[in-house]
Amino acid sequence: LAKTTQPISMDSYEGQEVNITCSHNNIATNDYITWYQQFPSQGPRFIIQGYKTKVTNEVASLFIPADRKSSTLSLPRVSLSDTAVYYCLVGPPGTYKYIFGTGTRLKVLA
Amino acid sequence: ETGVTQTPRHLVMGMTNKKSLKCEQHLGHNAMYWYKQSAKKPLELMFVYNFKEQTENNSVPSRFSPECPNSSHLFLHLHTLQPEDSALYLCASSQDPALGSGANVLTFGAGSRLTVL
Repeated sequence: LAKTTQPISMDSYEGQEVNITCSHNNIATNDYITWYQQFPSQGPRFIIQGYKTKVTNEVASLFIPADRKSSTLSLPRVSLSDTAVYYCLVGPPGTYKYIFGTGTRLKVLA
Repeated sequence: ETGVTQTPRHLVMGMTNKKSLKCEQHLGHNAMYWYKQSAKKPLELMFVYNFKEQTENNSVPSRFSPECPNSSHLFLHLHTLQPEDSALYLCASSQDPALGSGANVLTFGAGSRLTVL
């Protein structure tokens, strides 16, 4: 499975757009990119998944360039409740072994 | 009740005790997972079951014993644990990874916080 690299932490202010980039240089042709959010003492929660270009849902957008060696999770107009750890995972369909890295600890300030 | 439910939410046990963690999912999923999350560490995959059959054992010590009686229930039996086993134990479920398009999406429970004295 492709290894991912994310910033360890980020700070933002309420109302701002936050972009978290994940590097996955060794991504395989059939790998998908999936992002999860985890609040303290809770399990991670699925946010968004994509394969290429751009994916948007009611929570976030995911931008994937043509070479797919990185991806950016975009959270529009964050609030204090978006303070959490965000994980980027890369893997193919059919695998059970999803590896969670250290994630990005986002802190939203008032 | 919907989603993935884990009980108990908190457990304190001595090193000689035997206890069990329980996970139940009401999502119609076929695969179930145990992850361990220690303080300041990434989640570690422990076990995976698909259609009640164990498909992954990530070199977990034998003092952790999983049981999956059916696709909706998953247990983690604990005995003679060590203080370093103190962690948040997370259960997750998913559709059969071999089915559907896209990569597997996991639904997690809230976790069981275990403290070993």
